[in-house]
Amino acid sequence: DAKTTQPNSMESNEEEPVHLPCNHSTISGTDYIHWYRQLPSQGPEYVIHGLTSNVNNRMASLAIAEDRKSSTLILHRATLRDAAVYYCILRDDGSSNTGKLIFGQGTTLQVKP
Amino acid sequence: GAGVSQSPSNKVTEKGKDVELRCDPISGHTALYWYRQSLGQGLEFLIYFQGNSAPDKSGLPSDRFSAERTGGSVSTLTIQRTQQEDSAVYLCASSPRLAVDEQFFGPGTRLTVL
Repeated sequence: DAKTTQPNSMESNEEEPVHLPCNHSTISGTDYIHWYRQLPSQGPEYVIHGLTSNVNNRMASLAIAEDRKSSTLILHRATLRDAAVYYCILRDDGSSNTGKLIFGQGTTLQVKP
Repeated sequence: GAGVSQSPSNKVTEKGKDVELRCDPISGHTALYWYRQSLGQGLEFLIYFQGNSAPDKSGLPSDRFSAERTGGSVSTLTIQRTQQEDSAVYLCASSPRLAVDEQFFGPGTRLTVL
């Protein structure tokens, strides 16, 4: 599985946008970019995923570089509840894949009031 | 609707004992995954079930670990002769179908081996 590189930690102020970067220079053509987050003492939670085009949902936006070697998760207005570990994961969603997620260390996001 | 549930939420056991951890996936979800999260190790994949297909056991750390899924629904992860290094949070996730869908995680079972 292709690897991702994320900063260990980031800080943000409440109600400000947050841009969480992820590098994945060895991404292959069938790899989707998935983001999950894990709030303290909870299981991971799906945030968003995409392949080539930018994606938006109620939680966040995903901006994918044209060469797909990097992506950015965007939280438009951080709240205290967004403090979590954010995982950027590449998953080969081809027909032979089992769908297992390979988690890295993620980025710990702190949100200051 | 109900999410993924796991039981027990906490389990303390003595080294050498066997333990069983249970996962109830979301109704109708055909794919079920087990992961574990240890201090300093992060989240690691253990095993995957999809319908009636043979499970992907590639992540099981030793032959002391096994899992089954009965009737395509409830799953049990069994750890035999537990060791202290087995202490971790064991997480179960389910998804509606293969690969492309998001996975819904349960709250986990915290296992402590004394």
